[in-house]
Amino acid sequence: KQEVTQIPAALSVPEGENLVLNCSFTDSAIYNLQWFRQDPGKGLTSLLLIQSSQREQTSGRLNASLDKSSGRSTLYIAASQPGDSATYLCAVKVVFGKGTKLTVNP
Amino acid sequence: ETGVTQSPTHLIKTRGQQVTLRCSSQSGHNTVSWYQQALGQGPQFIFQYYREEENGRGNFPPRFSGLQFPNYSSELNVNALELDDSALYLCASSRGGQLGGSFGYTFGSGTRLTVV
Repeated sequence: KQEVTQIPAALSVPEGENLVLNCSFTDSAIYNLQWFRQDPGKGLTSLLLIQSSQREQTSGRLNASLDKSSGRSTLYIAASQPGDSATYLCAVKVVFGKGTKLTVNP
Repeated sequence: ETGVTQSPTHLIKTRGQQVTLRCSSQSGHNTVSWYQQALGQGPQFIFQYYREEENGRGNFPPRFSGLQFPNYSSELNVNALELDDSALYLCASSRGGQLGGSFGYTFGSGTRLTVV
């Protein structure tokens, strides 16, 4: 049974800081891993989709890596901004982690 | 390209009643999945529909049921509502029919269901 864990559960940083969010999964037989952003009370916005054959994907200030063998993915956010404040979720197949709640302070 | 749309956005029901939530998939997508998200939790997979058939189901009782229509839109029906069914219900569309397939998921904005 696939389990997805995200650490930390919450993170508060000053504006401009670079940060890393972590996602681990137990079953490495995956097609891909997807990172999402969720604002309070809203739906999920897809940030990055990494195929199982890829090591990383980049979009603007975001970079996601995938290490299938160790069951880990990281989401790197460069030069964080207050508008980045949200909950970040990773998903493998149909299993989600509980998310990391990020607060970026001006 | 239209995204995933869900209706209604908010709903209040009484315990024991039945509810139907609706979802229109993104253009070009033929697979629809439904999720339940309680406050402070990650989304929990309810089921997925592909070619009008359920092809995957999470740990939810039979009173959670669904339909997919020829235009790939979908409904989630919940019978005999319980207080614990209060949650944000999310619909996601994708292509290909595989659970967690190669193309990733596009989510709607959700329906907030409150059971009183």
